[in-house]
Amino acid sequence: DAGVIQSPRHEVTEMGQEVTLRCKPISGHNSLFWYRQTMMRGLELLIYFNNNVPIDDSGMPEDRFSAKMPNASFSTLKIQPSEPRDSAVYFCASSSAQGIGETQYFGPGTRLLVL
Amino acid sequence: EDQVTQSPEALRLQEGESSSLNCSYTVSGLRGLFWYRQDPGKGPEFLFTLYSAGEEKEKERLKATLTKKESFLHITAPKPEDSATYLCAVPYSGGGADGLTFGKGTHLIIQP
Repeated sequence: DAGVIQSPRHEVTEMGQEVTLRCKPISGHNSLFWYRQTMMRGLELLIYFNNNVPIDDSGMPEDRFSAKMPNASFSTLKIQPSEPRDSAVYFCASSSAQGIGETQYFGPGTRLLVL
Repeated sequence: EDQVTQSPEALRLQEGESSSLNCSYTVSGLRGLFWYRQDPGKGPEFLFTLYSAGEEKEKERLKATLTKKESFLHITAPKPEDSATYLCAVPYSGGGADGLTFGKGTHLIIQP
């Protein structure tokens, strides 16, 4: 099993540019989560999907952030326009969601730096 | 509001020196408590899930325990490779949400 795959692993961009982060969940998992990690705030949930449907996006900081899951094997998190305060490590996680509190498995993360 | 607090923020031990990390939580209706390990530059790696007070789980030099208010991660005779940040998390207590609320973590350093 390849685990959760994220790309790119590192992204450096300039303020105002569009950024797209990509995630491939573990095959057979039907819940997908996007988290953001910073030194100040730790790991925070941004949005999660169940069976490709967004369930809770209350953690998305602003309208500049959007996420999609067009099929069971792919999701994107887009920031447009990007700002320096968006600099963080973005993690994708997936779970089989067969029960309450099902274990989430994390990808390696995308380290984003907005200049 | 769900809260998870971990202590200490950082801990430096000598190889072989046993200790415990604490995770205290405030949730309405615990649906599991998770422990993860995170190495620098990597994503959190799942260690344990505990579901009820009194439950214990072990893996190599690690043992996790759970009470109604807190969880402990006991590290026995640690080795340098146990150096990492240890995170605990609980599922959101609202409805069927599966998102996790994480603590800030304990940064553990084991010196040879």
